[in-house]
Amino acid sequence: EVQLVESGGGLVQPGGSLRLSCAASGFTFSNYSMHWVRQAPGKGLEWISYISDSSSTIYYADSVKGRFTISRDNAKNSLYLQMNSLRDEDTAVYYCARLRWLHFDYWGQGILVTVSS
Amino acid sequence: EIVLTQSPGTLSLSPGERATLSCRASQTVSSSYLAWYQQKPGQAPRLLIYGASTRATGIPDRFSGSGSGTDFTLTISRLEPEDFAVYYCQQYGSSPPKGIRFTFGPGTKVDIK
Repeated sequence: EVQLVESGGGLVQPGGSLRLSCAASGFTFSNYSMHWVRQAPGKGLEWISYISDSSSTIYYADSVKGRFTISRDNAKNSLYLQMNSLRDEDTAVYYCARLRWLHFDYWGQGILVTVSS
Repeated sequence: EIVLTQSPGTLSLSPGERATLSCRASQTVSSSYLAWYQQKPGQAPRLLIYGASTRATGIPDRFSGSGSGTDFTLTISRLEPEDFAVYYCQQYGSSPPKGIRFTFGPGTKVDIK
């Protein structure tokens, strides 16, 4: 059974940093590109970052470019999101998601990040 | 950058009724690049349809997708109680030099009338 489990969320002050993790199991993690998608409270879904299976290709949405860094460790079946210079508008539930072809076939349960003083 | 618009914003229907949800793109989208998701409160999104019309594994056949170009439709033939949720369309785009982009529509909420 495919499972994606996020961790590392919580309350952080504006300007602060946080590192999210996503533990993958039930599939060959190194064969799939992975993504982070977020959802602000009461709002829709926003794709924020992509990393290829080998980490050779990385993309970011404009809203987080220069502040967030995606990475992965295929030996540990884990995906990461380092978030720096956090802003109020980064408050959201963050999901890791697996890409199959051009859609997201599996999602984690999500982890809440709250940016507030 | 392609923008997705969904209508209506809210659809109020009764169990057993037919639901028709629209997703319109600001530019032509390949059918291969269009997907639909269902999200219930407090849960992660769930893939329903990919390639505009292919049901994902385990999705009941009352869900169907259609469309091409800029206009896509998700149809739920007979609403079951568990179908009341928010539905999002999603497309993949490539825009050098920014690279790839995944865009979601704002969602359509299907609630009980």
